[in-house]
Amino acid sequence: EPEVTQTPSHQVTQMGQEVILRCVPISNHLYFYWYRQILGQKVEFLVSFYNNEISEKSEIFDDQFSVERPDGSNFTLKIRSTKLEDSAMYFCASKMTVGYSPLHFGNGTRLTVT
Amino acid sequence: QQQVKQSPQSLIVQKGGISIINCAYENTAFDYFPWYQQFPGKGPALLIAIRPDVSEKKEGRFTISFNKSAKQFSLHIMDSQPGDSATYFCAAVTGRRALTFGSGTRLQVQP
Repeated sequence: EPEVTQTPSHQVTQMGQEVILRCVPISNHLYFYWYRQILGQKVEFLVSFYNNEISEKSEIFDDQFSVERPDGSNFTLKIRSTKLEDSAMYFCASKMTVGYSPLHFGNGTRLTVT
Repeated sequence: QQQVKQSPQSLIVQKGGISIINCAYENTAFDYFPWYQQFPGKGPALLIAIRPDVSEKKEGRFTISFNKSAKQFSLHIMDSQPGDSATYFCAAVTGRRALTFGSGTRLQVQP
């Protein structure tokens, strides 16, 4: 069964450094998402992306965050200057169509900011 | 108004018992209500989902009950098994918006 893949599985970075989290969504999916989950807490929406542009973003997704689909397969989340509170599990997700099609999640990248 | 409130935070059930997790919402524009199951170290995976035009949906041991007037929906896991031990998230969405998740319920099924 096709799946969403994320790399790396764990990223450790120092405060103030830039990080790029990478995702390969399922190949025929058109809608892409980033969510994050602080340890033991709820899954929080960051941003959605369709047709090479952001379609929705949350309050969390401020100017420090950006997303890009640099080619036909990868979808990246960049954090320009990491803060301690950015430490979380970051999940990429994709789905085929808008609306009620299932949202498929990757296994996440654990970001630790020291 | 985008919040989805989920309870309980944690739940311990004996093997063979019924696990019940409840969610409530305020935004009447929500029109799709999925439940996700998450095992440690994994991403959430869609378990079962319901649209508000039906009051119940059953898939195997998993049932969603939906009460539109009360703006509540719940997940029932019949004959709970140790393999069902996971964190369960309810969610809601409207149209093109992204999913809004509940706070999660950590279920532990004791053998």
